[in-house]
Amino acid sequence: DQQVKQNSPSLSVQEGRISILNCDYTNSMFDYFLWYKKYPAEGPTFLISISSIKDKNEDGRFTVFLNKSAKHLSLHIVPSQPGDSAVYFCAASGGGSNYKLTFGKGTLLTMNP
Amino acid sequence: DVKVTQSSRYLVKRTGEKVFLECVQDMDHENMFWYRQDPGLGLRLIYFSYDVKMKEKGDIPEGYSVSREKKERFSLILESASTNQTSMYLCASRAGGPYEQYFGPGTRLTVT
Repeated sequence: DQQVKQNSPSLSVQEGRISILNCDYTNSMFDYFLWYKKYPAEGPTFLISISSIKDKNEDGRFTVFLNKSAKHLSLHIVPSQPGDSAVYFCAASGGGSNYKLTFGKGTLLTMNP
Repeated sequence: DVKVTQSSRYLVKRTGEKVFLECVQDMDHENMFWYRQDPGLGLRLIYFSYDVKMKEKGDIPEGYSVSREKKERFSLILESASTNQTSMYLCASRAGGPYEQYFGPGTRLTVT
């Protein structure tokens, strides 16, 4: 069973606009969430994270929102830039799991000029 | 900056060969991980290690083994490579606790 779901395999956004990537999870033991960005033929790079005690975390153009009751998180990128074209992975960690991460399948974000 | 390096970027092996993938991190991290990434499947955890000589199976350990003799090095071993092990292999490390993992550049393995 898939505990972390990214239901949109791809997303196309115009440069300068807001990109919103969504992620849902099923395991209520997850208490730490992360977003990674991955370019082809490179390893994923960490973008931003959020603990379950918060509902928002912001870092520059990137903001992550967490809705615990809905078991949903989202990544907002404002404004979107050409270099944002990449695959974005949502990941979750639970306290009793040696902090191993469970990843979603990823969303391919493509910027349109 | 954390640096995670992997021994090869691209590797081509024949079915039945024994394959070693090496990963080294330079930040004295306790935890190290091996994942594989396949289109449409995301990142799946093969094995992880939380200390030297300590290992734990991930979600897809079948056909793989690991070795961690030194803190900075974590090796993934394919005992007898098969074509369904053709994939991108990613190593990661993390300091203990709920912190982000740092990934290496990946090894694209093709088994023919």
